[in-house]
Amino acid sequence: GQNIDQPTEMTATEGAIVQINCTYQTSGFNGLFWYQQHAGEAPTFLSYNVLDGLEEKGRFSSFLSRSKGYSYLLLKELQMKDSASYLCAVREEGGSYIPTFGRGTSLIVHP
Amino acid sequence: EAGVAQSPRYKIIEKRQSVAFWCNPISGHATLYWYQQILGQGPKLLIQFQNNGVVDDSQLPKDRFSAERLKGVDSTLKIQPAKLEDSAVYLCASSPEAASTDTQYFGPGTRLTVL
Repeated sequence: GQNIDQPTEMTATEGAIVQINCTYQTSGFNGLFWYQQHAGEAPTFLSYNVLDGLEEKGRFSSFLSRSKGYSYLLLKELQMKDSASYLCAVREEGGSYIPTFGRGTSLIVHP
Repeated sequence: EAGVAQSPRYKIIEKRQSVAFWCNPISGHATLYWYQQILGQGPKLLIQFQNNGVVDDSQLPKDRFSAERLKGVDSTLKIQPAKLEDSAVYLCASSPEAASTDTQYFGPGTRLTVL
């Protein structure tokens, strides 16, 4: 089984940088996903990390440390439209490769 | 490319009634998932299909929930009878294969309210 922990809520100012952390415990790690979910909408894929290090994609970056069971999502130059829930999901080795989702972090961006 | 389609978008029923949800995955995607997302929580997997076979249904409450994907394309999820705690958004997702690098593509979901 897995235990995934992320902060419930964060607030930030438009134009700023915010880091959303995710810690996990798993018996056999096989990848970590970040999804964005706007209120009332479906989750949309942001990033996938399987090796240690930073993956950068435009204003969004995701970092992974497998030895620490830790990841973060970094959002730069925040925009109002970035207000959403950010879901961390971890996949275990073997079986059906299904990721387990955390509860999500609700990010509120204010002017 | 058309995305994952789901219907209905909203459904309100009374407890002990039955309800069914429909999902059409992205064309060519072999793997289909049903998730339950309770307000304030992350999605929880109910069942995974690979083509028309069940890969994982360990978290499906089989006394009241059932799902099928008869021709390996569309899928239906049924709840019979519904309980108050079934109020949630039911998300359908698909991916090309159940491979470790695969990304899941989610549909818009069906919001179920049980009164």
